[in-house]
Amino acid sequence: QAGLTQPPSVSKDLRQTATLTCIGNSNNVGNEGAVWLQQHQGHPPKLLSYRNNNRPSGISERLSSSRSGSTASLTITRLQPEDEADYYCSAWDSSLGAWVFGGGTKLTVL
Amino acid sequence: QMQLVESGGGVVQPGRSLRLSCIASGFSFSTYSMHWVRQVPGKGLEWAAMISYDGGKKFYADSMKGRITISRDNSRNTLFLQMDSLRAEDTAVYYCVKDLSGSFDHWGQGTLVTVSS
Repeated sequence: QAGLTQPPSVSKDLRQTATLTCIGNSNNVGNEGAVWLQQHQGHPPKLLSYRNNNRPSGISERLSSSRSGSTASLTITRLQPEDEADYYCSAWDSSLGAWVFGGGTKLTVL
Repeated sequence: QMQLVESGGGVVQPGRSLRLSCIASGFSFSTYSMHWVRQVPGKGLEWAAMISYDGGKKFYADSMKGRITISRDNSRNTLFLQMDSLRAEDTAVYYCVKDLSGSFDHWGQGTLVTVSS
């Protein structure tokens, strides 16, 4: 199944801002929006944001998500060492009748 | 607190079957849709299947459709994934995931399935 497109890696300095992108199409991100997940090495993923850019309780206010057309974005401000992780986007694809994932972006905090 | 505990993984020969289980606790299991998501070690996430809260609706990834069956027993707070005709490329960690408003809210620790002769 066609997946979503994420850059494989992003590197930013400590305390800077990182914006991660996720490109889909009108059947998935452009229609239903995207969810964002964070995964630290050796741990299961954790939900960061879901439909209509909602943030689950306990998720830092430094994280925000948005969407423009078929591109979803996750912005992390004031980067901290603990933000270094893999980030995945996902969306329901109404054409496929299935969930699709991006390949993930490895965020490195320098 | 909310907990999802998978079991049933292990080493299995190609062509054989395996049934994964996930016991849920700490939330009202029967009112939430559930997913199985897999991850090849060192690789990305791949959605496998979803089942509605009452088991009435099921969705499958094309890559596994026809070989897997998702089911649930709400009386036992348990989610299942029956996997048949296993292939080497099915080797992965399989996660049980609770749905929240159409997203992946809470994840188990995963169970590793290794398909190898």
